[in-house]
Amino acid sequence: GDSVTQMEGPVTLSEEAFLTINCTYTATGYPSLFWYVQYPGEGLQLLLKATKADDKGSNKGFEATYRKETTSFHLEKGSVQVSDSAVYFCALKASGAQKLVFGQGTRLTINP
Amino acid sequence: EAEVAQSPRYKITEKSQAVAFWCDPISGHATLYWYRQILGQGPELLVQFQDESVVDDSQLPKDRFSAERLKGVDSTLKIQPAELGDSAMYLCASSSPGTSGTYEQYFGPGTRLTVT
Repeated sequence: GDSVTQMEGPVTLSEEAFLTINCTYTATGYPSLFWYVQYPGEGLQLLLKATKADDKGSNKGFEATYRKETTSFHLEKGSVQVSDSAVYFCALKASGAQKLVFGQGTRLTINP
Repeated sequence: EAEVAQSPRYKITEKSQAVAFWCDPISGHATLYWYRQILGQGPELLVQFQDESVVDDSQLPKDRFSAERLKGVDSTLKIQPAELGDSAMYLCASSSPGTSGTYEQYFGPGTRLTVT
């Protein structure tokens, strides 16, 4: 079945460091890919998405590119802030389906 | 900005008791989802509604869990009897086709259930 694998956390960085959180997926066809963020005590918020190969999703300084050849959707940010501390989830939606399949999440902590 | 509402935010119950969670989706969203998120894991779909009809409940433990969306608007998820392993965050989400047909999902704040 469809699945998503994220790099294991937790990840701890200093403010202004470069961030990469790896995400790879297994799915048939052409899924849509998403990154969600979950702040402490809150639900999930959509951070960015990409619906076809080579699309780049971006929001709030975060970027991810849909790479079909490597089945990856890595999340990057050039300079992280303390306020970026949260849990990040990579997810896919299979072609023709509506439900999301999530990775296990990566906890990110940014120290000042 | 419209939001998905859930209540209660926190619930503590003893095992073998019944518990219920409520979700009010964004107005006009025909599709409603209940996910369960065990601590340290990603959310997993329990049930998906299209209007008042269930379209996917393959991962719902039907011996103890039930879900309804009688008028195709708000929804209730019930557990009876609760077990220790049911301790988790229960997330509700809703979606509509949107301009691109991607059915982007919007999540509520969740109900954190602790079973003692």
